[in-house]
Amino acid sequence: GENVEQHPSTLSVQEGDSAVIKCTYSDSASNYFPWYKQELGKRPQLIIDIRSNVGEKKDQRIAVTLNKTAKHFSLHITETQPEDSAVYFCAASNYGGSQGNLIFGKGTKLSVKP
Amino acid sequence: NAGVTQTPKFQVLKTGQSMTLQCAQDMNHNSMYWYRQDPGMGLRLIYYSASEGTTDKGEVPNGYNVSRLNKREFSLRLESAAPSQTSVYFCASSGRAFSYYNEQFFGPGTRLTVL
Repeated sequence: GENVEQHPSTLSVQEGDSAVIKCTYSDSASNYFPWYKQELGKRPQLIIDIRSNVGEKKDQRIAVTLNKTAKHFSLHITETQPEDSAVYFCAASNYGGSQGNLIFGKGTKLSVKP
Repeated sequence: NAGVTQTPKFQVLKTGQSMTLQCAQDMNHNSMYWYRQDPGMGLRLIYYSASEGTTDKGEVPNGYNVSRLNKREFSLRLESAAPSQTSVYFCASSGRAFSYYNEQFFGPGTRLTVL
């Protein structure tokens, strides 16, 4: 089955700097890659996703890139702000396969210092 | 719309006790899921229901049972709770299983402690 590895597990940046979180996946059939943000004590919420037919997607200060050949995808946050502090989870899924469930990475705790 | 709701928010059980976690969604979604979240382990799928009338095991189903009561409701039951089941439990739903339109919406979570 699918396995998703996420790095780093913790990341601390200064306000205004960029942050990059990387994930690798094992199943080459995976075709959907969402990123979730979870603030302390809250529920996970989708912030951006990418499908296997595109290599990059951007939404204001966040972007995701996908390298299908290397089977890895990354979340990029520019001009970080204190409210970006949270745990970020990547996930992978194979839609159209035997099951389309999301397999999550273990999360990255991002701290943005003012 | 309330989205995905869960009850209770907190629960403390003694080893061997049973309980049912309730989940409901008002988004007319077909698919529903139960996850557990442990420190450093991310979100792990316990069971899911791709559509009303079906349920399937996820990554960590042992010790749990589920019921898809109707399209809106999906419950998780612990028959004989163990300390290893101490965790935060999230219910989620999505529009269509096995499709690209599968943004999963999460409930607020239930924090369960088993003593």
